[in-house]
Amino acid sequence: QITLKESGPTLVKPTQTLTLTCTFSGFSLTTTGVGVGWIRQPPGKALEWLALIYWDDDKRYSPSLKSRLTITKDTSKNRVVLTMTNMDPIDTATYYCARRLAAPGTNLNWLDPWGQGTLVTVSS
Amino acid sequence: DIQMTQSPSSLSASVGDRVTITCRASQSINNFLNWYQQKPGKAPKFLIYAASSLQSGVPSRFSGSGSGTDFTLTISSLQPEDFATYYCQQSYGNPTFGQGTRLEIK
Repeated sequence: QITLKESGPTLVKPTQTLTLTCTFSGFSLTTTGVGVGWIRQPPGKALEWLALIYWDDDKRYSPSLKSRLTITKDTSKNRVVLTMTNMDPIDTATYYCARRLAAPGTNLNWLDPWGQGTLVTVSS
Repeated sequence: DIQMTQSPSSLSASVGDRVTITCRASQSINNFLNWYQQKPGKAPKFLIYAASSLQSGVPSRFSGSGSGTDFTLTISSLQPEDFATYYCQQSYGNPTFGQGTRLEIK
């Protein structure tokens, strides 16, 4: 069974740095084609992709947030960590992590499964 | 970044209806298009990849089509559990999502 679970603070103050951890089981982040991504969803709004880290340590970031994001992995602990600097109330959202998988022999890829999400509120 | 635009943003329908949701990409993405279903308070659930391939376990009343820039998700006969919000997502470049289509009970 493949599971992912997000953890981190539920409340951060403006200008602080947010650190979120995605702890997963049932797959390895050393397997070719596998990645873990972060996606957020402000209350009542759409999904927004933030960052992805691949099995080979390649990293991709949303262009609009790239300067504020860092994604890292610890394959020995099956964890992926996302940090976001200079938090603002507009960053209030549920943050999800998800496994990125690709169809063998192709570049077709998708996000599945997803963690349950963690709500982060930014407020003083 | 590739922009994804869904229509309609909301849709009212009845059990048994056939519904279609449209997703348009700002540039050609071949068939690098996925669909997800999200129910209130829950994480998105993966439904369809490569525009038309159903994920294992997804009911056959769901179908997807399209290529290039225009895509559709069709539910052939709505069931009570299908009322949810649906998102398209392109995987041609860095992932981007559509703004969602909320499917409500009429």
